[in-house]
Amino acid sequence: AQKVTQAQTEISVVEKEDVTLDCVYETRDTTYYLFWYKQPPSGELVFLIRRNSFDEQNEISGRYSWNFQKSTSSFNFTITASQVVDSAVYFCALINNAGNMLTFGGGTRLMVKP
Amino acid sequence: DGGITQSPKYLFRKEGQNVTLSCEQNLNHDAMYWYRQDPGQGLRLIYYSQIVNDFQKGDIAEGYSVSREKKESFPLTVTSAQKNPTAFYLCASTIPGLAGHNEQFFGPGTRLTVL
Repeated sequence: AQKVTQAQTEISVVEKEDVTLDCVYETRDTTYYLFWYKQPPSGELVFLIRRNSFDEQNEISGRYSWNFQKSTSSFNFTITASQVVDSAVYFCALINNAGNMLTFGGGTRLMVKP
Repeated sequence: DGGITQSPKYLFRKEGQNVTLSCEQNLNHDAMYWYRQDPGQGLRLIYYSQIVNDFQKGDIAEGYSVSREKKESFPLTVTSAQKNPTAFYLCASTIPGLAGHNEQFFGPGTRLTVL
């Protein structure tokens, strides 16, 4: 069985603050893939990043960065200098290499106020 | 432009009626998925199909049915047996990767409301 937990259901920050969204996962497999998606108010999920379990390098893409820690089964997402357009629901998801189903966390609603 | 289209965007149905949600993709993806999202919650998998004429139940398939007669189309029928069908429905697709699972691409969703 696999499970993804996003303990923060809602976060509110003021523009230009940094914010970290937590994601903790559970799986028995040694090979798996982790994803982050953004869901703006329009509803469509937008892919942000994919990481496989053998690649523990952290990644930075503009104001976005991801910290993958296998030792703590976490894949946290940080937005630096947040902007109002970052306001959305963010989902972390997991799939095992042999699996066919993506398991989503409950999502974190981020509100960035001007 | 390649992508996934879902129609309609908003759908209202009377209790006891069946309704079919459309999902079309022109990405040439083999695998397609249907998810349900309830307010304040994550996505739950209803059905998925990895190839034409084949589909598998997800975590919450009861009260739903699908077909996959063409690669680009994966319609979802919400039957009267689904006790609480009001939700946001998202369709997704992906292509098998040589290096494991690729990301899924999502459509804009259909918001179904039962009156």
